[in-house]
Amino acid sequence: NAGVTQTPKFRILKIGQSMTLQCTQDMNHNYMYWYRQDPGMGLKLIYYSVGAGITDKGEVPNGYNVSRSTTEDFPLRLELAAPSQTSVYFCASTTGFSDTQYFGPGTRLTVL
Amino acid sequence: AQSVAQPEDQVNVAEGNPLTVKCTYSVSGNPYLFWYVQYPNRGLQFLLKYITGDNLVKGSYGFEAEFNKSQTSFHLKKPSALVSDSALYFCAVRDSSGAGSYQLTFGKGTKLSVIP
Repeated sequence: NAGVTQTPKFRILKIGQSMTLQCTQDMNHNYMYWYRQDPGMGLKLIYYSVGAGITDKGEVPNGYNVSRSTTEDFPLRLELAAPSQTSVYFCASTTGFSDTQYFGPGTRLTVL
Repeated sequence: AQSVAQPEDQVNVAEGNPLTVKCTYSVSGNPYLFWYVQYPNRGLQFLLKYITGDNLVKGSYGFEAEFNKSQTSFHLKKPSALVSDSALYFCAVRDSSGAGSYQLTFGKGTKLSVIP
């Protein structure tokens, strides 16, 4: 199993550009999450999904959108990039029963 | 609401000495508690968790944590630190009575430096 994979690893965007961060898991997990990590701030939940077709906002959803058309994929969309979205983004998944979340390697995004 | 506090931004310990990374939590119901480790430029890796049962939980790489309900704490410990333990450590909590989204709340992280 590859676990949780994320692409791209790095990206530089200009203000106002848009992009999609990809997340795929091959563990058949129903629950998936997007976090952003800023220095000294820990992880903040952006959006989560409890299954295909079901998504909900987390703590910091503004400026982001998600979709969940399949169990495996949970892309995160940035529509109008802003410098405040410069961060490291992590995707995670869990079965729910064990509660252990499995994390992808992250995407480092810089908005200039 | 659930919350986690890691009171130390950084912990320095000499190689071979015992280490402790502190974590306190707040939940309205019973807590599910987790420790994760992050090495530079990597994602978070699961170390151990407390769901129920024995208050002393053993995890990966020789780490253990003690759940203390009266002090609402879940400190991470290791009897003998290795230089390779140097990393960023996150404590996380979920309220067991919460809705079925299994959301975790993470602390801000503690940077552990083990000095040779």
